[in-house]
Amino acid sequence: AQSVTQLDSQVPVFEEAPVELRCNYSSSVSVYLFWYVQYPNQGLQLLLKYLSGSTLVKGINGFEAEFNKSQTSFHLRKPSVHISDTAEYFCALNYGGSQGNLIFGKGTKLSVKP
Amino acid sequence: GAGVSQSPRYKVAKRGQDVALRCDPISGHVSLFWYQQALGQGPEFLTYFQNEAQLDKSGLPSDRFFAERPEGSVSTLKIQRTQQEDSAVYLCASGLGLADGETQYFGPGTRLLVL
Repeated sequence: AQSVTQLDSQVPVFEEAPVELRCNYSSSVSVYLFWYVQYPNQGLQLLLKYLSGSTLVKGINGFEAEFNKSQTSFHLRKPSVHISDTAEYFCALNYGGSQGNLIFGKGTKLSVKP
Repeated sequence: GAGVSQSPRYKVAKRGQDVALRCDPISGHVSLFWYQQALGQGPEFLTYFQNEAQLDKSGLPSDRFFAERPEGSVSTLKIQRTQQEDSAVYLCASGLGLADGETQYFGPGTRLLVL
């Protein structure tokens, strides 16, 4: 069975500092990996996704993630965060033949402090 | 263009009541998904439609949950005889239905509170 683990439930960080949100997955088949962001009282918005090819994926709002197959990880990074990045971040996967339904981690709450 | 919309945004129900939650996907999107997000958790898959066909309902937690998409566009998730454990945010997402790994576009969700 496939699963996603987000290792940190909360990450506090000061404005303009770098941040890394960790995501590990478990799967016996090849996967597609996603990061979504959820602002309060809003739906999920796609930040970036990995399908194939280059393992470094760049997304919106200055975020990037690196797919590491040997470590089964897909960590999200940003070199300098803003107050407006305060939100909940979800890592998710699906796989070939899954009909597209996403398997999500439990989420990481990023709090950016001035 | 318009994104995925859901209504109502908030619903309070007394235990035992039936509720109906509506999802309007992006026009032309073939795939439609329903997810349940409990407090402090990630979304969990409930059911999937391709056009009007419900191809996967393996995530529906009980036979009190029923979903339909009769004309391949708007979808309704119905919960009969609501229980307190049904309290959650119900998210709808749609996609082009072209391939695995495609982007799903999420609505704002319906927050259901069962008293």
